Amino acid sequence: EIVLTQSPGTLSLSPGERATLSCRASQSVSSSYLAWYQQKPGQAPRLLIYGASSRATGIPDRFSGSGSGTDFTLTISRLEPEDFAVYYCQQYGSSRGWTFGQGTKVEIK
Amino acid sequence: QVQLVESGGGVVQPGRSLRLSCAASGFTFSSYGMHWVRQAPGKGLEWVAVIWYDGSNKYYADSVKGRFTISRDNSKNTLYLQMNSLRAEDTAVYYCARDGGKIGLKPIGYWGQGTLVTVSS
Repeated sequence: EIVLTQSPGTLSLSPGERATLSCRASQSVSSSYLAWYQQKPGQAPRLLIYGASSRATGIPDRFSGSGSGTDFTLTISRLEPEDFAVYYCQQYGSSRGWTFGQGTKVEIK
Repeated sequence: QVQLVESGGGVVQPGRSLRLSCAASGFTFSSYGMHWVRQAPGKGLEWVAVIWYDGSNKYYADSVKGRFTISRDNSKNTLYLQMNSLRAEDTAVYYCARDGGKIGLKPIGYWGQGTLVTVSS
């Protein structure tokens, strides 16, 4: 099973600031199969990024993804009030199992 | 529009069984792989199982392998999760989710609202 480790656990930032979230895999992940999700309290997750760097339909361009191999990054260029939430990375498409990272909470400073 | 509606959650004693259902609508159910994902109270997301569009292949998280069974009835547009030998650590909201493709090679694009399973004596 591939283990995904996200850092930091919590990111305290102000609206308008830049957020950089990290996801590190225990073994190499194909970039084609790395996604990022956003989850707000009481809601189901929402797909933001797939294939490591492609934005899902309707996702603002302030969200961007990058990385390859074992190191991946989600960047939010300028935080809007609605962006404060928990973010998860996920590797998918492997018969060894689909796995999520433990999440990074982006909170208002 | 795509709708996924879970049902079957509730309170169950350790060691007992429960079956969850997920009614799908708004898309061609038989053309997509389907997942179950769970989230313990206050915790992160945990992928549970996936089934291919035609039911021919199924994969499970190690934590549920041998105890849970994912299945589907394409004639009824319904996904199932049979949960046996339940443990306290299985307590979670269980989400039904649609893969972006047939065989789990795409990210999850649609989620239900979840059904809560509580395992407690």
